[in-house]
Amino acid sequence: NAGVTQTPKFQVLKTGQSMTLQCAQDMNHNSMYWYRQDPGMGLRLIYYSASEGTTDKGEVPNGYNVSRLNKREFSLRLESAAPSQTSVYFCASSRVLNLLAEYQETQYFGPGTRLLVL
Amino acid sequence: TQLLEQSPQFLSIQEGENLTVYCNSSSVFSSLQWYRQEPGEGPVLLVTVVTGGEVKKLKRLTFQFGDARKDSSLHITAAQPGDTGLYLCAGGHNQGGKLIFGQGTELSVKP
Repeated sequence: NAGVTQTPKFQVLKTGQSMTLQCAQDMNHNSMYWYRQDPGMGLRLIYYSASEGTTDKGEVPNGYNVSRLNKREFSLRLESAAPSQTSVYFCASSRVLNLLAEYQETQYFGPGTRLLVL
Repeated sequence: TQLLEQSPQFLSIQEGENLTVYCNSSSVFSSLQWYRQEPGEGPVLLVTVVTGGEVKKLKRLTFQFGDARKDSSLHITAAQPGDTGLYLCAGGHNQGGKLIFGQGTELSVKP
């Protein structure tokens, strides 16, 4: 099992360009997430998908769109990249997204995509 | 906005020393997780604590969840160079698995 895979690993964009970050998991997980990581700010949730066919905004959704293509794949799109979107982007998945659970499911992270917007 | 404050942000110690990392919030969480991240990789879960006052041990690592479920600590005994990395705490609510991450503690253990 590859776990969570992300492509590309590195990308340089010019301001205004668009791109899609791809994420796939082979663990048959229901829930998937996109985070961005900036120095000194930990991980911030951009969007998440509780299950196939549903997506919801996280903490910092502005400037991004997502698509849950199927159970395995969850893509993140930057329609018009800005320098403020320079960051490391992580995709993660978890088995379930249980609203009633008192515990958190383990989230499994991909290796990240390093994006530089000039 | 719910915040998780980690301290210290940076820690550089010699092999064999002990250390404690703190994770504090004004909010109550249903559970608290600790992740470790190595350069160029994604975070990996170390532990989940769910009960106020709970203590979990993983070899030389001891995790504690505060009685009021607002804070947590990670204590490492006899640190080794292999412990080097970024340690992240993450608080969870019963809100569909969404996590609130602290800003991280960068640990460097020198041989």
